[in-house]
Amino acid sequence: RKEVEQDPGPFNVPEGATVAFNCTYSNSASQSFFWYRQDCRKEPKLLMSVYSSGNEDGRFTAQLNRASQYISLLIRDSKLSDSATYLCVVNIANYGQNFVFGPGTRLSVLP
Amino acid sequence: ETGVTQTPRHLVMGMTNKKSLKCEQHLGHNAMYWYKQSAKKPLELMFVYNFKEQTENNSVPSRFSPECPNSSHLFLHLHTLQPEDSALYLCASSQGRRGDEQFFGPGTRLTVL
Repeated sequence: RKEVEQDPGPFNVPEGATVAFNCTYSNSASQSFFWYRQDCRKEPKLLMSVYSSGNEDGRFTAQLNRASQYISLLIRDSKLSDSATYLCVVNIANYGQNFVFGPGTRLSVLP
Repeated sequence: ETGVTQTPRHLVMGMTNKKSLKCEQHLGHNAMYWYKQSAKKPLELMFVYNFKEQTENNSVPSRFSPECPNSSHLFLHLHTLQPEDSALYLCASSQGRRGDEQFFGPGTRLTVL
């Protein structure tokens, strides 16, 4: 089993749609979780960290379920500029940093 | 954008060459990272340095040799590479705590002939 798995995608949605991405991780000792976005031929950039209580940043909501080892990202009212690859990232280190990236889910928001 | 810079941006080398990739961060961070991004594969963490000390080496072949002379600079020395090493090599930095955001450089596109 891969350490971090994501919906294979791609997701093609119309502007204004709500879209949800799922991610599962295998290491139960993982302590920190993130969603990054990567535009074509660009470097990854942090979208949001994921906290145990869930967190929201504008149109984006992230949820963490430690019992199921599952992370989700919800995007409401999709914009054309949301088109990108969304990367689920897990820090599997007990101390320090050892980040494992998922394969990414590609989103295309269509006019 | 000057947060994390990488040079060169593109590199073509033969299998017998020796070359180095350079990364510099201007963010005052304490941790630096090398990643490899191959086509159709997830980003792979190669090395982690905290306060100039290597803290992670994810089973990277010895033909890749990192060097971190100070908290702002990170090098990746390359020798006798294979064509399958062709990829985008990304450098990143962070404050150094477990939950910190990483800031990535633009990457070096490496082609091994």
